[in-house]
Amino acid sequence: EIEMTQSPATLSVSPGERATLSCRASQSVSTNLAWYQQKPGQAPRLLIYGASTRATGVPARFSGSGSGTEFTLTISSLQSEDFAVYYCQQYNNWPRAFGQGTKVEIK
Amino acid sequence: EVQLLESGGGLVQPGGSLRLSCAASGFTFSNYAMSWVRQAPGKGLEWVSAISANGVSTYYVDSVKGRSTISRDNSKGTLYLQVNSLRADDTAVYHCAKIFGSGGYFPEYWGRGTLVIVSS
Repeated sequence: EIEMTQSPATLSVSPGERATLSCRASQSVSTNLAWYQQKPGQAPRLLIYGASTRATGVPARFSGSGSGTEFTLTISSLQSEDFAVYYCQQYNNWPRAFGQGTKVEIK
Repeated sequence: EVQLLESGGGLVQPGGSLRLSCAASGFTFSNYAMSWVRQAPGKGLEWVSAISANGVSTYYVDSVKGRSTISRDNSKGTLYLQVNSLRADDTAVYHCAKIFGSGGYFPEYWGRGTLVIVSS
């Protein structure tokens, strides 16, 4: 069973700054990695799949990179609506697994 | 617009059973795999189960395997999750999710979920 580890648990960033979130898999998942955003009281929203492909309607300030076991989600210039919890998920193996999440909060 | 509306949650005693439902609209339900993902209060996401578009293939996380059944009725556009022998650690919001169309079983669209509380 693959374990996904995200870091940091909390990231304090000022609006307009860059945010870099990390996700590590316990074994290779190739590029079968997705990122989700979740705001309080809302359902998660798909941001990135295939490690680097933005989902429909996702702003260009969101970008994903990585392969194998190391992945990064970058938000180039944080907007007020980007403060949320972000999860990575591998879909290379069963059972599917999510990371524990990174909370991006206002500094 | 894709819409997923879960129902069937509530308060249930340990050892009890629940059947969750998810009514889907805005897409051709029978063409897509579907999934259930849960989230314990204040915690992260946990993938629970998935089912192929035709209902033939099913997948479960170990913690629910043997006491849960995922199913679907393509004629009604509805997804189900039957969970038996409920435990306190099954307490969570259960989200229904439409799986991405091609290349990988990962959720694309999510419902807001239905809350299941297991307590005496």
